[in-house]
This record gives sequence, C-alpha cells and structure tokens, in this order.
Amino acid sequence: SQQGEEDPQALSIQEGENATMNCSYKTSINNLQWYRQNSGRGLVHLILIRSNEREKHSGRLRVTLDTSKKSSSLLITASRAADTASYFCAPAGFQKLVFGTGTRLLVSP
Amino acid sequence: GAGVSQTPSNKVTEKGKYVELRCDPISGHTALYWYRQSLGQGPEFLIYFQGTGAADDSGLPNDRFFAVRPEGSVSTLKIQRTERGDSAVYLCASSLAGRQDEQFFGPGTRLTVL
Repeated sequence: SQQGEEDPQALSIQEGENATMNCSYKTSINNLQWYRQNSGRGLVHLILIRSNEREKHSGRLRVTLDTSKKSSSLLITASRAADTASYFCAPAGFQKLVFGTGTRLLVSP
Repeated sequence: GAGVSQTPSNKVTEKGKYVELRCDPISGHTALYWYRQSLGQGPEFLIYFQGTGAADDSGLPNDRFFAVRPEGSVSTLKIQRTERGDSAVYLCASSLAGRQDEQFFGPGTRLTVL
C-alpha cells in the first residue's frame, strides 16, 4: 500500500493567514492527490499533481511535490473560515489508496 | 446524476442484523470504491471494483462484509450479523477509469449498530 502521512495533525490559524500542511509517503507514485473533508462526510478532491511535476496551483492552493524526498506540501493562501476542514493526501500508484489521519485545519475569524 | 449518491444517509440497526448500503456512482465511471471511516481517522479502504468485478477486496475486514456491482454501475455493500464495531461512516467513491484517477466521493452512510 502507499499511505500518506500528513503533518501537522492539527493546525489553528487566523483568517487571512497562510496554512501549510505536509505529506510524506514511502513508495513510488504516479501522482499525489489532496482531498478536503468537512464534518466527517464525503471527501472533495482538491488537486492532483503528477510525479513529473514539481509545483501546481489552483486558485488559493499551491501544491509542491518532491519525489526524491517522497514528500508533498499543500499551501492555502489567505485562508478563510470556510477552509476549516480535514485535509488528506493520497499518493496514487497501482495499489489501493491508503489515507492517513489527515491534518485538521481550524481557521478562526 | 451529477455526483455520487449514497442511500440511506443514516442507518441504525441492532447487533446481529443484516444491512445493505447502496452507492450510485457518477455515470460512466468504471471504477468504484468503498471505504469506511471512524471518528478521527482517515478513510479505510474496503474494496475496489473495476466494472462488474471486484479488482481488490483486500480491505474487507472479514467474511461478514460483501459487496456487489452486478451491472457495473450501482453497488451494494452488504454486512451480515452486524457488530457494534461496524459502526462508522461508509463512503463510496467513483473514478473515471482506475486507481490513479481523481476520486469523487459520496456523502456517506452513517451506520450505527446498537
């Protein structure tokens, strides 16, 4: 399996600040995906970065990938209260996705 | 439909009973996944379908759990002789082709076994 491990486990910031969360994994991947989950229900796909990419942007999201270090980071700029959620990384290859416990982000107004 | 749907949204049952959870994936998605999630944990993989067949059922915890996808679209997760430890949110997801693709999740079914 190819489990992603998110760090930190919890992050508390003020609105307008940036939030950075990290992901480490152990196996070779084809791509790495980030998901958000609100209130313990369905996950929402945020962004996918392929193994031959180093950085990708989507709106206020910036994802980096370092395959030599087997790590990725997700940066949320100018955070909003609505960004409060759990964030999971999912390294994707030819085996089942194994989600870690996620980073719980709390953005206070 | 526009997204993945799951029914029921909540299910309360008694220990020992049989339950069925349904998932309607996005039309045209050949891959379908079942996960379960306990409080404070990430989704735990259960089973992956490619079309009608279970391509990977290594996450099913024991033989009380079974899933089908007879026509390659709707899937049913079946749990026999439910136990209190089966209480969790059961999530279904689908993707266009395979495991490397973006997965679209349903809202989940919250199962409570009393």
